[in-house]
Amino acid sequence: DTGVSQDPRHKITKRGQNVTFRCDPISEHNRLYWYRQTLGQGPEFLTYFQNEAQLEKSRLLSDRFSAERPKGSFSTLEIQRTEQGDSAMYLCASSLVGTTREQYFGPGTRLTVT
Amino acid sequence: LAKTTQPISMDSYEGQEVNITCSHNNIATNDYITWYQQFPSQGPRFIIQGYKTKVTNEVASLFIPADRKSSTLSLPRVSLSDTAVYYCLVGPSGSARQLTFGSGTQLTVLP
Repeated sequence: DTGVSQDPRHKITKRGQNVTFRCDPISEHNRLYWYRQTLGQGPEFLTYFQNEAQLEKSRLLSDRFSAERPKGSFSTLEIQRTEQGDSAMYLCASSLVGTTREQYFGPGTRLTVT
Repeated sequence: LAKTTQPISMDSYEGQEVNITCSHNNIATNDYITWYQQFPSQGPRFIIQGYKTKVTNEVASLFIPADRKSSTLSLPRVSLSDTAVYYCLVGPSGSARQLTFGSGTQLTVLP
């Protein structure tokens, strides 16, 4: 078990560009979560999947954000037409059903929008 | 959602026991109390979870009084490597949306 991995670890993009991040959860975990964290704040929940179904979405997840988990394994988070306010750490976590409050986090993807 | 209040920062010395208290006055009957630890440039790490009384694991202890309006995370004999942000979370187990992180407590362990 190698833990939750995220790719890339760092991304610098220009305003208006699209970016996509990937998360590979712990293999036997059927729940996968995305969070966003800005400097000095705790992570904010964005969305979560159980297997391939997206079950909850935060109001923070604007129309420019989309997440998928097509085969119930890895997930992607895409941000279209990036804005400077999207600069943040994007964290992925996974867990087993029934242990929602014990989540295993990846190292995050640091996005900088210039 | 139950709002949590915890100190912004705390300092301690190596070898001391550290207690971080979290206030959650409007905790609901089905809410659990969970603590996470986060080092710089890493994702948070689950430490401990409880519903009432005392829970202990190899890393920490969690004390919850009968009224459940507060909880205390106890770290025995801290070392420099325990310097991190500690988050207290309150919420029911069934909804990921309600796993809500506040700003946390920055614990700095000094030599």
